[in-house]
Amino acid sequence: NAGVTQTPKFRVLKTGQSMTLLCAQDMNHEYMYWYRQDPGMGLRLIHYSVGEGTTAKGEVPDGYNVSRLKKQNFLLGLESAAPSQTSVYFCASRRLGQAGGANVLTFGAGSRLTVL
Amino acid sequence: AQRVTQPEKLLSVFKGAPVELKCNYSYSGSPELFWYVQYSRQRLQLLLRHISRESIKGFTADLNKGETSFHLKKPFAQEEDSAMYYCALSGLGTDKLIFGTGTRLQVFP
Repeated sequence: NAGVTQTPKFRVLKTGQSMTLLCAQDMNHEYMYWYRQDPGMGLRLIHYSVGEGTTAKGEVPDGYNVSRLKKQNFLLGLESAAPSQTSVYFCASRRLGQAGGANVLTFGAGSRLTVL
Repeated sequence: AQRVTQPEKLLSVFKGAPVELKCNYSYSGSPELFWYVQYSRQRLQLLLRHISRESIKGFTADLNKGETSFHLKKPFAQEEDSAMYYCALSGLGTDKLIFGTGTRLQVFP
């Protein structure tokens, strides 16, 4: 099993360009998440999805869009990249759990994005 | 609203010394608390969760609802414990996992 795979691993953009990060999981997980990791800020939730065709906003959704057309894929889009979006982006997934702490996230390896 | 506070950005200790990484949370409902760890050049992974009351790699963490804390402790630190540690909070029945800002643990030989 590959688990959670993110592509690309690295990308350099110019201000105003657009791009899409792809997250794919092969564990049949219902929930998927996109986080960004910045020094001193920790991990902040951008958007998440609780199932195919559904998405919801997290803590820092502005400037990003997402889509979950297939259960195994969760796409993160930047329509017009800004230097403030320079970050490491992590995708994670988890199964639909029961009450009592059964829910654990499986993370991808991260995608490092630099916006010049 | 869910909130996680990790007051220390960096914690440096010598091998064999006790370690305590602090985590405080704010949540009005029933919380689920986790500690995640990120070793150098590795993926973020779960270290332990309060519901399991387990000890992983010598680390333990007790949920203190009165003090709204979930501090991570280890009596004798090892060099291989050097990593970034994140405390995370999920409300029972909610969909989101919110992370703190992280504490980098450095264990010197």
